Amino acid sequence: DAKTTQPPSMDCAEGRAANLPCNHSTISGNEYVYWYRQIHSQGPQYIIHGLKNNETNEMASLIITEDRKSSTLILPHATLRDTAVYYCIVSSNNDMRFGAGTRLTVKP
Amino acid sequence: GAVVSQHPSWVICKSGTSVKIECRSLDFQATTMFWYRQFPKQSLMLMATSNEGSKATYEQGVEKDKFLINHASLTLSTLTVTSAHPEDSSFYICSARTGGPYNEQFFGPGTRLTVL
Repeated sequence: DAKTTQPPSMDCAEGRAANLPCNHSTISGNEYVYWYRQIHSQGPQYIIHGLKNNETNEMASLIITEDRKSSTLILPHATLRDTAVYYCIVSSNNDMRFGAGTRLTVKP
Repeated sequence: GAVVSQHPSWVICKSGTSVKIECRSLDFQATTMFWYRQFPKQSLMLMATSNEGSKATYEQGVEKDKFLINHASLTLSTLTVTSAHPEDSSFYICSARTGGPYNEQFFGPGTRLTVL
């Protein structure tokens, strides 16, 4: 059973921010929220992870709600190369189990 | 980030033969490695967890006698698909866990197996 719920697809205009939501209403106190993405025919690429505080790195920002039941991955300035399937995963032991993810298409 | 490699990147074999896929952590030691399988237009499915020096733990529904996993060193795990059949054709991906305070998991580029 999936621990996360994501929209199956989203579009974003090039240069604009892409905001990808994820619901994880049954998350446990010791589970982290991880985000990976997979570009066609490649292995998943780590993006960011967090426990309860918002996180930012050179790729993206992760916003986690106070009750930790949902989160949003933000790509601040999407490019065509950001077109990929984005996976939101909750895990306490780094055993990554993938759901269906969100297929993000960045359009010119 | 840490680098994980896989070899070969693609392989075509005849039905009934065995195929070995290697997964290496190039710049870190990985006490735990994972093997996934991905069919076209589907998500990754965890097949097994491989711990260095011990037997792999297989997910429900994955045949351990068909998918042999060996994790003989801290930088190498192998997956052997025995007596391959066309339905085993898939994209096989490994990942390795770094351990330490962050315990991040990095993925290899995948191996595409086609069984004729």
